Amino acid sequence: RKEVEQDPGPFNVPEGATVAFNCTYSNSASQSFFWYRQDCRKEPKLLMSVYSSGNEDGRFTAQLNRASQYISLLIRDSKLSDSATYLCVVAHTGGFKTIFGAGTRLFVKA
Amino acid sequence: EAGVAQSPRYKIIEKRQSVAFWCNPISGHATLYWYQQILGQGPKLLIQFQNNGVVDDSQLPKDRFSAERLKGVDSTLKIQPAKLEDSAVYLCASSFRTSGSVQYFGPGTRLTVT
Repeated sequence: RKEVEQDPGPFNVPEGATVAFNCTYSNSASQSFFWYRQDCRKEPKLLMSVYSSGNEDGRFTAQLNRASQYISLLIRDSKLSDSATYLCVVAHTGGFKTIFGAGTRLFVKA
Repeated sequence: EAGVAQSPRYKIIEKRQSVAFWCNPISGHATLYWYQQILGQGPKLLIQFQNNGVVDDSQLPKDRFSAERLKGVDSTLKIQPAKLEDSAVYLCASSFRTSGSVQYFGPGTRLTVT
């Protein structure tokens, strides 16, 4: 079993749709969680950190469920510009280990 | 603020040849990472430096890959000899602190081994 697993995708959604991605992690010692966005042939860039209480940034909402060991990303009112690969990232602060998921591809169509 | 710099951006070599990549992190960032990203996969951590010391190189194929970060600033990653399966994008990232901090990535070096 991979240490970080994501929905395989691709997700094809129309503009304005709401879409949700999940990411599960296996190591209960994981302490930091992030969602990164990666456009085609570009480097990953931070989308948002994920806090225990959940957090929201405009149309994006991230949630953490430590009991079930997963994080989620919800995108509301999808835009064409949201088309990208979304990478789940889990870090073990004490163990100096960062693991990226394989990514979920999102295509938003007009 | 300048971002993470990498060079070259593209490199094509034949198998069994050697290649080196260079990275200059964001000023003041103590932690530097090298990742390998194969098409369709997420980035895989090869090596992580804290200043000029290695804190994780568990996934670095040490028989052919080496990396150094002299003086705790810029870093080089070398492959010698290259194999076909080394074709990938090599990403360098830096963060202010250790694992758990936000990482900032450079544009990457796209390596093709023929």
